Amino acid sequence: AQSVSQHNHHVILSEAASLELGCNYSYGGTVNLFWYVQYPGQHLQLLLKYFSGDPLVKGIKGFEAEFIKSKFSFNLRKPSVQWSDTAEYFCAALGVDTGKLIFGQGTTLQVKP
Amino acid sequence: EAGVAQSPRYKIIEKRQSVAFWCNPISGHATLYWYQQILGQGPKLLIQFQNNGVVDDSQLPKDRFSAERLKGVDSTLKIQPAKLEDSAVYLCASSLEPGGSLTNEQFFGPGTRLTVL
Repeated sequence: AQSVSQHNHHVILSEAASLELGCNYSYGGTVNLFWYVQYPGQHLQLLLKYFSGDPLVKGIKGFEAEFIKSKFSFNLRKPSVQWSDTAEYFCAALGVDTGKLIFGQGTTLQVKP
Repeated sequence: EAGVAQSPRYKIIEKRQSVAFWCNPISGHATLYWYQQILGQGPKLLIQFQNNGVVDDSQLPKDRFSAERLKGVDSTLKIQPAKLEDSAVYLCASSLEPGGSLTNEQFFGPGTRLTVL
């Protein structure tokens, strides 16, 4: 069965701290991987995505994620967070053959000014 | 480009009542999805349409939930009768094509927050 697990439910950082949010997926076939973000009061929007090729993908607002196939991981990183990064972050995996997008449970990031 | 539109944004009903949500996808997007997001969890797919046909409704509680996309554009999701555990945000999303292609990015609407008392 396809599943996605996010390591942290709630992360609190100070501005300028580095961020890494863990994500592991379980699926027997080929997957596309996504990170979505939901800012307070706004709808889900795509941060970045991995389909194939370079396992290090760069997204909007300075975020990047690295796909490590051997670890079934797709961790999200940002070298220096800002107060405006306060949001909920969702990792998601799409099975290419099923076309079904499965989300992790989400990580709430709170950045203190 | 206009995004995915949903209405209403909020709805409060009592258990055993019925409720309907409406979604208008991005123009030209053939694939439409309804998700349920319970507080503290990630979105869970309820049903996926390709044009006006159902692709996947395996997670839809069909004894009380129904959805349609009659003309391949707008869609409605109905709950009848509602239970307390249906309290959640109902998200609609659309994509140009279904999963497995480079144009499968899903764009999400603002959601409808349903509270069942």
